[in-house]
Amino acid sequence: GAVVSQHPSRVICKSGTSVKIECRSLDFQATTMFWYRQFPKQSLMLMATSNEGSKATYEQGVEKDKFLINHASLTLSTLTVTSAHPEDSSFYICSARGSIWDSFNEQFFGPGTRLTVL
Amino acid sequence: KNQVEQSPQSLIILEGKNCTLQCNYTVSPFSNLRWYKQDTGRGPVSLTIMTFSENTKSNGRYTATLDADTKQSSLHITASQLSDSASYICVVSSLHSGTYKYIFGTGTRLKVLA
Repeated sequence: GAVVSQHPSRVICKSGTSVKIECRSLDFQATTMFWYRQFPKQSLMLMATSNEGSKATYEQGVEKDKFLINHASLTLSTLTVTSAHPEDSSFYICSARGSIWDSFNEQFFGPGTRLTVL
Repeated sequence: KNQVEQSPQSLIILEGKNCTLQCNYTVSPFSNLRWYKQDTGRGPVSLTIMTFSENTKSNGRYTATLDADTKQSSLHITASQLSDSASYICVVSSLHSGTYKYIFGTGTRLKVLA
């Protein structure tokens, strides 16, 4: 099956610093990658959608200058939380989708990254 | 407004017992419906996927149903095990602005006790 990895699995940083999270599709080429945020006991909230080689599309209310997304290759997308603050502490999950001809539009999820901002 | 609602919010059952989780959706256009299992601190893992024309889909002890007319789905877990303790998320896929997006339900947190 399709495997998506994330690194790091957890990170603790000081307020004001920037943190980069990597999302990789290990055994398939991801034409589209999605970034989600999940607060405790809540469901996943889509932050942005990125297609390889183009700018990410952000959901309403998500600051594009704060959450920088780069999808430079078909197997790697990165999310950089700039000038992180305690309210950015959350569980960040990425997902990847392969061929646009996949009729099921399957997204494969990564294991998530726990970000704690002190 | 596209929404996916799940019930109950949380559920506690004894090991070996069966349970059924509910999902109601108001999503248009509808592409397909998935049930995911999410262990604490992990990403979601797909259990079943159902298209408009499918009524029932099984995956081991998990059986999902879909009624496209009433826009309801259920996930039945048979002979529950301690490892079934997790959040179960109903997700409806829909086409928006040329991209298929997932609309997530609120989830049901299941706790299986020995």
